[in-house]
Amino acid sequence: EIVVTQSPATLSAFPGERATLSCRASQNVITNVAWYQQKPGQAPWLLFYGASTRATGVPDRFSGSGSGTDFTLTISSLQSEDFAIYYCQQYHAWPQTFGQGTKLQIK
Amino acid sequence: EVEMLQSGGGLVQPGGSLRLSCAGSGFSLSRFALGWVRQAPGKGLVWVATVSGREDDTYYADFVKGRFITSRDKSNNTLFLHMNRLSADDTAVYYCAKGRLGNYNDVSGWLDWGQGDVVTVSS
Repeated sequence: EIVVTQSPATLSAFPGERATLSCRASQNVITNVAWYQQKPGQAPWLLFYGASTRATGVPDRFSGSGSGTDFTLTISSLQSEDFAIYYCQQYHAWPQTFGQGTKLQIK
Repeated sequence: EVEMLQSGGGLVQPGGSLRLSCAGSGFSLSRFALGWVRQAPGKGLVWVATVSGREDDTYYADFVKGRFITSRDKSNNTLFLHMNRLSADDTAVYYCAKGRLGNYNDVSGWLDWGQGDVVTVSS
């Protein structure tokens, strides 16, 4: 099983700041990584697939990058609605696996 | 508009069974890979199962293999998760989800999600 590890577990930032979230896979997953945002009481929302391709409706302040084992989600200028939990997921091999999440909270 | 409406959750005793349903509208469920993801209280997302392909290939997480079965009723555009031999560790919100592309096999990101269904396993 490919283990996916996200860091940090919690990130505190001010609105307007830049946020960088990391995701590491235990094996090479090429670019077979997706990112999701989840808010309390809601289903996840797909942000990126293919590590860097923005899904429909995702604002361009969000960007995804990386390949192999190391991936990054960057939010260039945090808006109030961006404070949520973010998960990365690898779909390179079965079983699909999610990271444990990064909680992005307002400082 | 794509919608996935879940039903069937509830309280069940340890060792019991439950069937979750996920009714699709606005798309043909047979053309997409479909998955189940669960989330225990206060915890992260965990992939459970996927059905994909023209022949309904299925894939399961190890912790549900032999206990859970996912299937789809194409005539009624509904996905199911049959859960057997349930334990307290299976207590979670269960989400159904749909792949991005209507090519039967794409699992590169779960684009559309159901609202979630709470399953509580307790005596």
